[in-house]
Amino acid sequence: DAKTTQPPSMDCAEGRAANLPCNHSTISGNEYVYWYRQIHSQGPQYIIHGLKNNETNEMASLIITEDRKSSTLILPHATLRDTAVYYCIVISTSGTYKYIFGTGTRLKVLA
Amino acid sequence: GAVVSQHPSRVICKSGTSVKIECRSLDFQATTMFWYRQFPKKSLMLMATSNEGSKATYEQGVEKDKFLINHASLTLSTLTVTSAHPEDSSFYICSADSRGAYEQYFGPGTRLTVT
Repeated sequence: DAKTTQPPSMDCAEGRAANLPCNHSTISGNEYVYWYRQIHSQGPQYIIHGLKNNETNEMASLIITEDRKSSTLILPHATLRDTAVYYCIVISTSGTYKYIFGTGTRLKVLA
Repeated sequence: GAVVSQHPSRVICKSGTSVKIECRSLDFQATTMFWYRQFPKKSLMLMATSNEGSKATYEQGVEKDKFLINHASLTLSTLTVTSAHPEDSSFYICSADSRGAYEQYFGPGTRLTVT
């Protein structure tokens, strides 16, 4: 599976948009980008995923660059409850798949 | 929907004993279940993948005789840590996916402390 790199930490003011980048420069054509977050001492929670088009749901938006080598997760109006570690994962849809978690980005939303 | 539970949520055991952790998919049938462990301030590390009715596939470096996985039904997988030692103390998390999907649903985790 393709590896991902994310900044180790970010701060964001409450009410502002949080933009979390992810680099996946070795991604191949059949690989999706998935985003999860983990609030302290809980299991990860699914946020959103995409292949090449931008995606939006009630939690977030996912912007994938045209060459698919990077993506950005956007939390439009961050709240204190969005403080968590955010993981970007790339998975292949051919054959057996598995999640390989990177180090993630620790987002701290500040009051 | 898509709820995964784990039991127990935390357990303390003495060195040398075995501990069983259950992972259940409550409202869907899980084709595949995954087991992860997570040390403090570290990322999740995949330990093994289990499919219902077949033997689990372990990641490199994970001892299959120490971490016994049983996936007896489409809603239940168990992880047994045998002869636990203090270095096995960790946060164990399971996840499950449903047929044809790549999205994994994670359990709340089990914190194991071996004294």
